[in-house]
Amino acid sequence: KQEVTQIPAALSVPEGENLVLNCSFTDSAIYNLQWFRQDPGKGLTSLLLIQSSQREQTSGRLNASLDKSSGRSTLYIAASQPGDSATYLCAVIPIYNQGGKLIFGQGTELSVKP
Amino acid sequence: NAGVMQNPRHLVRRRGQEARLRCSPMKGHSHVYWYRQLPEEGLKFMVYLQKENIIDESGMPKERFSAEFPKEGPSILRIQQVVRGDSAAYFCASSWNDRGLTTNEKLFFGSGTQLSVL
Repeated sequence: KQEVTQIPAALSVPEGENLVLNCSFTDSAIYNLQWFRQDPGKGLTSLLLIQSSQREQTSGRLNASLDKSSGRSTLYIAASQPGDSATYLCAVIPIYNQGGKLIFGQGTELSVKP
Repeated sequence: NAGVMQNPRHLVRRRGQEARLRCSPMKGHSHVYWYRQLPEEGLKFMVYLQKENIIDESGMPKERFSAEFPKEGPSILRIQQVVRGDSAAYFCASSWNDRGLTTNEKLFFGSGTQLSVL
């Protein structure tokens, strides 16, 4: 059974700092891995999607890496800003799942202090 | 092109009442997923529907919960005889696919319905 874990559960950093969020999964048989952002009272916004055959994806100040063999992914945020404060969720689609049946981690709550 | 629309945003029910949550997928999307986020827990898959069909309901509680996605109109998640433990945020997501399942697509999520059971 696939399980997704995110560490740390919460993180507080000063503005401008580079930071790394971690995600681990127990079964390497996945189609893809996604990083989402969740703001309080709002839905989820997909940030980056990494296919199983890829190693990383980049979008602006965000870079996500995937190491299937070790069951790990990291989300790197460069030059953090207060607007980056949110909960970041990691999710995988196992090969045996249909469609968009995602398995989510518990999330990392990020606070960037001005 | 409007995103995934969920209503109501907030729903308050007393124990024993029925809750009906609505989800209109993005235009052109024919696949809908429902997820539940309980307090202090992560998002959990509930059900996956295509128009007029339930594809996977392995995450749905066996009793009191049902879902539909009719040919016309929004998808409905229905909870009968609600209990306090049903209090949670319910999210709907949609994707486009007319040639079978593609698991490499991004899902687009709605803003959720916060259900509170008194």
